[in-house]
Amino acid sequence: DIQMTQSPSSLSASVGDRVTITCRASQSISSSLNWYQQKPGKAPKLLIYVASSLQSGVPSRFSGSGSGTHFTLTISSLQPEDFATYSCQQSYSTPNTFGGGTKVEIK
Amino acid sequence: QVQLVQSGAEVKRPGASVKVSCKASGYMFTSYYMHWVRQAPGQGLEWMGVINPSGGSTSYSRKYQGRVTMTRDTSRSTVYMELSSLRSEDTAVYYCARVYHSSEGEAFLDYWGQGTLVTVSS
Repeated sequence: DIQMTQSPSSLSASVGDRVTITCRASQSISSSLNWYQQKPGKAPKLLIYVASSLQSGVPSRFSGSGSGTHFTLTISSLQPEDFATYSCQQSYSTPNTFGGGTKVEIK
Repeated sequence: QVQLVQSGAEVKRPGASVKVSCKASGYMFTSYYMHWVRQAPGQGLEWMGVINPSGGSTSYSRKYQGRVTMTRDTSRSTVYMELSSLRSEDTAVYYCARVYHSSEGEAFLDYWGQGTLVTVSS
């Protein structure tokens, strides 16, 4: 199984900050990497697919990059509604494993 | 609009089974695979398996092989996930999620159910 490792597991940031979250795969997954946002008590929401494609309706302050084994999710200017947990998922092979999640908290 | 509506919360005894349903609407049910993902309290997301609603074929995570069964009823546009031999560690929120396959063969979970809390307790 492909292991997905996210870092950091949590971070504190202020509104307006630039935030970067990293996801590493245990083997190359090409660009088969998706990012989800989850708020407490809610289902995950797709943000980025195929490493860098923005899902319809998602604000342009979110961006994704990377390929192979190293990927990043960047929020260019953190907004109050962005405080949530972010998870990566590889869709290269089954099981479609998720990273452990990164909780973004208010500083 | 696409909607995935799951069945309500369940409380089960250890050793019992639970069957969670996920009713789809707003799209052609048989055209999109469905994944099941679970999340234990305070933990990350965990992939359990996938079902093709068209033919009913399935693929399960090795972790759940032998305990999980995913089925579908095309007349009801509903998929089901049954987990047997429940233990306390199976206490979690269970989600169904639709898979979108791009023309380039990439896949991602574009719509999710609201989640079903399954509590296993004696």
